[in-house]
Amino acid sequence: QVQLVQSGAEVKKPGASVKVSCKASGYTFTSYYIHWVRQAPGQGLEWMGIINPGGGDTTYAQKFQGRVTVTSDTSTSTVYLQLNSLRSEDTAVYYCARAEPSVTVYFDPWGQGTLVTVSS
Amino acid sequence: SYELTQPLSVSVALGQTARITCGGNNIGTKSVHWYEQKPGQAPVLVIYRDSNRPSGIPERFSGSNSGNTATLTISRAQAGDEADYYCQVWDSSSAVFGPGTKVTVL
Repeated sequence: QVQLVQSGAEVKKPGASVKVSCKASGYTFTSYYIHWVRQAPGQGLEWMGIINPGGGDTTYAQKFQGRVTVTSDTSTSTVYLQLNSLRSEDTAVYYCARAEPSVTVYFDPWGQGTLVTVSS
Repeated sequence: SYELTQPLSVSVALGQTARITCGGNNIGTKSVHWYEQKPGQAPVLVIYRDSNRPSGIPERFSGSNSGNTATLTISRAQAGDEADYYCQVWDSSSAVFGPGTKVTVL
């Protein structure tokens, strides 16, 4: 079955960087896009960006441009999210999610989530 | 940027029908998708492209979209339907989520 498995929880200090992984299985990795969505404690869902794993092209939400990098490794069917210059407001659960390369973008399935805690 | 509105909470009696709205400017011209999120879990797609159910989602879940409002309807509500529900559209090369609605089954 289609599955996205994410790396484990992270604790980082302000100003540091974090890299979260998302390993895909059960489908052709390069045929679908991967998105990243985060959720701060008790808050809603916030879209961060997208990668086409086949071509490597990316688009990021304006809020994160300059601070986020999404990459993919086709040899291991894994996508990575790196967020730099962390601040306390970046404390959140980070999700990866699969989407068809379509004009009607929806997410199915989602990874289990990775909690990133930013604290001094 | 495009904005979506949802009621903060909706209550429904066991076995009755819950309707969760998602408002947006001319949202009827967009494809709307709905997710269910239970505490401590990742979101799950329950409706895509306004009114389509993924495999494994009960027929009790249905969706519609017209004008400035999209609606997720949960018929014959069960205790297991208690969750947060988010609507989502794609606009200007980014995903936009509604603020979420907490559904309580009484």
